[in-house]
Amino acid sequence: KAGVTQTPRYLIKTRGQQVTLSCSPISGHRSVSWYQQTPGQGLQFLFEYFSETQRNKGNFPGRFSGRQFSNSRSEMNVSTLELGDSALYLCASSPGQEQPQHFGDGTRLSIL
Amino acid sequence: AQTVTQSQPEMSVQEAETVTLSCTYDTSESNYYLFWYKQPPSRQMILVIRQEAYKQQNATENRFSVNFQKAAKSFSLKISDSQLGDTAMYFCAFMKHKIDKIIFGKGTRLHILP
Repeated sequence: KAGVTQTPRYLIKTRGQQVTLSCSPISGHRSVSWYQQTPGQGLQFLFEYFSETQRNKGNFPGRFSGRQFSNSRSEMNVSTLELGDSALYLCASSPGQEQPQHFGDGTRLSIL
Repeated sequence: AQTVTQSQPEMSVQEAETVTLSCTYDTSESNYYLFWYKQPPSRQMILVIRQEAYKQQNATENRFSVNFQKAAKSFSLKISDSQLGDTAMYFCAFMKHKIDKIIFGKGTRLHILP
């Protein structure tokens, strides 16, 4: 079974731009979660989608948004990028219902 | 709000030794899950071990075992016969019952020395 696939692997943007990150979950997994990892704040939960509905949300500003498609693939969008948005963004999928989450390799976003 | 604390930012041990990573957490919930994840330099997060709070028996996975003390809210990871491939960042994590959202500790960087 293929694992969680995140694209792109690396991304460089400038302040004020917007960016879209993509995540393809493991086949059959309906829950997709997004996390931000930075050296200072560690791993922080952004949001979780299940069957195209956002079920859980972390404490991030409205510039961070996401969506999930009918095939369970998910996208995360960050608008009006700030220097502090530079981070590794990790996506994780699970069947849902409190099953273990499996992570992708992440997208490294750098803001110049 | 739930919090997870890992008090050891960095540790080093010799290959083949046993090492224990500490983790404490704070929650008012009675039903939850605890995890240890490993993140090697390749950066992919890998689930090491999982513990359901309602189970008194400590989880084990080959060389990895946990010491789960629910009353003390402590969840330590023991790695036996450590190997060079165990070198990684280890994260302790918490998930509330019925909420698929993981709260991570800050991590412990573990170095296995040859």
